[in-house]
Amino acid sequence: DGGITQSPKYLFRKEGQNVTLSCEQNLNHDAMYWYRQDPGQGLRLIYYSQIVNDFQKGDIAEGYSVSREKKESFPLTVTSAQKNPTAFYLCASSTVNSNQPQHFGDGTRLSIL
Amino acid sequence: GENVEQHPSTLSVQEGDSAVIKCTYSDSASNYFPWYKQELGKGPQLIIDIRSNVGEKKDQRIAVTLNKTAKHFSLHITETQPEDSAVYFCAASVGNTPLVFGKGTRLSVIA
Repeated sequence: DGGITQSPKYLFRKEGQNVTLSCEQNLNHDAMYWYRQDPGQGLRLIYYSQIVNDFQKGDIAEGYSVSREKKESFPLTVTSAQKNPTAFYLCASSTVNSNQPQHFGDGTRLSIL
Repeated sequence: GENVEQHPSTLSVQEGDSAVIKCTYSDSASNYFPWYKQELGKGPQLIIDIRSNVGEKKDQRIAVTLNKTAKHFSLHITETQPEDSAVYFCAASVGNTPLVFGKGTRLSVIA
């Protein structure tokens, strides 16, 4: 089945530790996105990439980093500089054509120990 | 940049009644307006979308209307069922830029 796979589903981070969230897609989409979801805040864009080896900051990129070495993969690292990392993280992908929907994975919930 | 406002934040309806969720957007160049449904612990799923050259679109019990002059669009769910209970998000975008989402509406359908 085609889709987006996020792993792990739950992740715990200790203070001062970097953690990496995985996102893989087999939809042959060029564009991939990371969103953060907090209660009552909707989805806020962290980073996005429309082509391999290139990515752009979204609205809340501080404390996060990404890489796009392969078309299928777009991992997100939550660094120790992110002071409030507890949230639900969603990865999405789409074609780069205009007016096309994004398809979402089922998220990773990150908590601080 | 684009800003999307969504109302109400919570909505309770009796089973069989209709539900309406409204969104406004700020960028008059926006031309794509999808709606997503998110169930607990899952990612959002696209339920319907509309493009700026269309004023209304319907898919069974779900319909979306768009008023570009007023810069608002609405989701209408008729004959609501308990399985319609979820969080609904509207979004808007220009061309191939990333979607900008509203803050969501929690819909509860009471049996």
